[in-house]
Amino acid sequence: DVKVTQSSRYLVKRTGEKVFLECVQDMDHENMFWYRQDPGLGLRLIYFSYDVKMKEKGDIPEGYSVSREKKERFSLILESASTNQTSMYLCASSLSDRAGDTQYFGPGTRLTVL
Amino acid sequence: TQLLEQSPQFLSIQEGENLTVYCNSSSVFSSLQWYRQEPGEGPVLLVTVVTGGEVKKLKRLTFQFGDARKDSSLHITAAQPGDTGLYLCAGFSVYNTDKLIFGTGTRLQVFP
Repeated sequence: DVKVTQSSRYLVKRTGEKVFLECVQDMDHENMFWYRQDPGLGLRLIYFSYDVKMKEKGDIPEGYSVSREKKERFSLILESASTNQTSMYLCASSLSDRAGDTQYFGPGTRLTVL
Repeated sequence: TQLLEQSPQFLSIQEGENLTVYCNSSSVFSSLQWYRQEPGEGPVLLVTVVTGGEVKKLKRLTFQFGDARKDSSLHITAAQPGDTGLYLCAGFSVYNTDKLIFGTGTRLQVFP
């Protein structure tokens, strides 16, 4: 079974802090994704990566950056956290970039910024 | 821009009832997926439909892709408390196959 793990289930940070969210997948998937999930808005794509050291902006990249130094690990960075970044953050991976390929999600990190 | 609208947003029903969730768009999708998300977990893929008019069944769940590939529906027969969760449709637009676009979600509660 594919397993996608995220470093924390719950995180509380203060405004202005630098925040790292880590995601690891164990199935040698090429693609990895970071989404945020907010009520009534569904999942919105922040960044994605098709290969090591490669990154592409999603629909809402402002205020975020990412790092993919190893194939299995994709990190989301909030350089200076703000209260409007309070949300559920979901990481996902998929085997290829073919449309229709299954994305496997981690359990999510619920981030609260005070 | 939200391209996929789901309705209803919330649904509370008794065990044994039938229900339908709708996923609509003005855009054409090359494929459409349905996910279920339980509390404290990430979404899990239920089905992918790729052909206009396609119908897929998964036990008591029936999924349909519209003929024009702009909409989809999920029908649950004789709902059970275990069906409780957030249902999300998601699709790959024909204009941008790189990104999966998610719908707004339907939160289903089935009471015993």
